[in-house]
Amino acid sequence: AQSVTQLGSHVSVSEGALVLLRCNYSSSVPPYLFWYVQYPNQGLQLLLKYTTGATLVKGINGFEAEFKKSETSFHLTKPSAHMSDAAEYFCAVWGGTSYGKLTFGQGTILTVHP
Amino acid sequence: SAVISQKPSRDICQRGTSLTIQCQVDSQVTMMFWYRQQPGQSLTLIATANQGSEATYESGFVIDKFPISRPNLTFSTLTVSNMSPEDSSIYLCSVKGQGGETQYFGPGTRLLVL
Repeated sequence: AQSVTQLGSHVSVSEGALVLLRCNYSSSVPPYLFWYVQYPNQGLQLLLKYTTGATLVKGINGFEAEFKKSETSFHLTKPSAHMSDAAEYFCAVWGGTSYGKLTFGQGTILTVHP
Repeated sequence: SAVISQKPSRDICQRGTSLTIQCQVDSQVTMMFWYRQQPGQSLTLIATANQGSEATYESGFVIDKFPISRPNLTFSTLTVSNMSPEDSSIYLCSVKGQGGETQYFGPGTRLLVL
């Protein structure tokens, strides 16, 4: 079984400030972890993913995330927020098997203030 | 990554009617997935559709309510039958990429049932 918890359904930051979106997971097998972004009235776009290897992964739009097995976390960060980052962000976990399904967190809405 | 299109992009329907949503992918894929995103909620997997076999439904979803077709490796349909206002959601089609670990999403179909 696997699950994802995103701490904070809403996060608000000022433009230029650090963005930190928290994600904790549980998985009975080594997980594959994903962050997706959903802009208003659009589908989901893959931001970044961790499968194996380097635990710090870089994605699009300046985002990165670090897989910490000891903390079962995969927090998403961006050093400097931009107005265009305002969206909803979803963390997801996959157990890596052919029939394993992708399990999503509840989502975090990021608001960026001028 | 795969390019996925969905039709219709949005619709307003009367209760008791049915709507068929189409999903087209620009490459051949084995597994296609249908998700539901209720207002303010995360994504929930409805079913997995493999070409040439019956769709596999998740707990809480049944074939009579959400029949799925998968006639070939690039196309699938999801029908939302006998709709009620509780079916108002975004319905998203998804496929796995070539590596097998990443899911890519279509733009979604926004359904409002009156």
